[in-house]
Amino acid sequence: KNEVEQSPQNLTAQEGEFITINCSYSVGISALHWLQQHPGGGIVSLFMLSSGKKKHGRLIATINIQEKHSSLHITASHPRDSAVYICAVYPDKLIFGTGTRLQVFP
Amino acid sequence: DTGVSQNPRHKITKRGQNVTFRCDPISEHNRLYWYRQTLGQGPEFLTYFQNEAQLEKSRLLSDRFSAERPKGSFSTLEIQRTEQGDSAMYLCASSVTSGSTEQFFGPGTRLTVL
Repeated sequence: KNEVEQSPQNLTAQEGEFITINCSYSVGISALHWLQQHPGGGIVSLFMLSSGKKKHGRLIATINIQEKHSSLHITASHPRDSAVYICAVYPDKLIFGTGTRLQVFP
Repeated sequence: DTGVSQNPRHKITKRGQNVTFRCDPISEHNRLYWYRQTLGQGPEFLTYFQNEAQLEKSRLLSDRFSAERPKGSFSTLEIQRTEQGDSAMYLCASSVTSGSTEQFFGPGTRLTVL
């Protein structure tokens, strides 16, 4: 079993829909990261959180340390949000999930 | 541009050849990480440096792989006698030493071994 599990693996949505991507992990962590990877490979850090909730524009990330679960929400999705979203946890080094491929259609 | 840079961005090589990739981290970052990402998977940790010291190596890093960071700034990752299974995206990231675990990623080097 992977230490970091993401769901769903693939997600398609119509522009404007509310998106939720889930991440569950099995190890003790000091922080959890949500990353965005566009075609071509470049990875951008979206959030780093260790408790509660963070918001940046249309993106919201939450974490429940007791349940070892985090969610990434995208409100009013747009085709430019199409990317792979990766959850990564930090016990002593980054351990990555396999990613959720999101496609938003106009 | 003061982000993490990697060169080359793409490398196509024949099986058995040696390849070397370079990573230039953000200048004030002490830590430098190498990851490998195969198609459809998340990145996997290979190794990391604190300044010039290589502090940890994954079991994924076979004896054909070697990484250096001689002056504590840029790093190189060399793969000797490449195999088709080495085809992947090789990602570099850097971070400050203490406090934050946030890592800043480079654009990656995509290796294709024919």
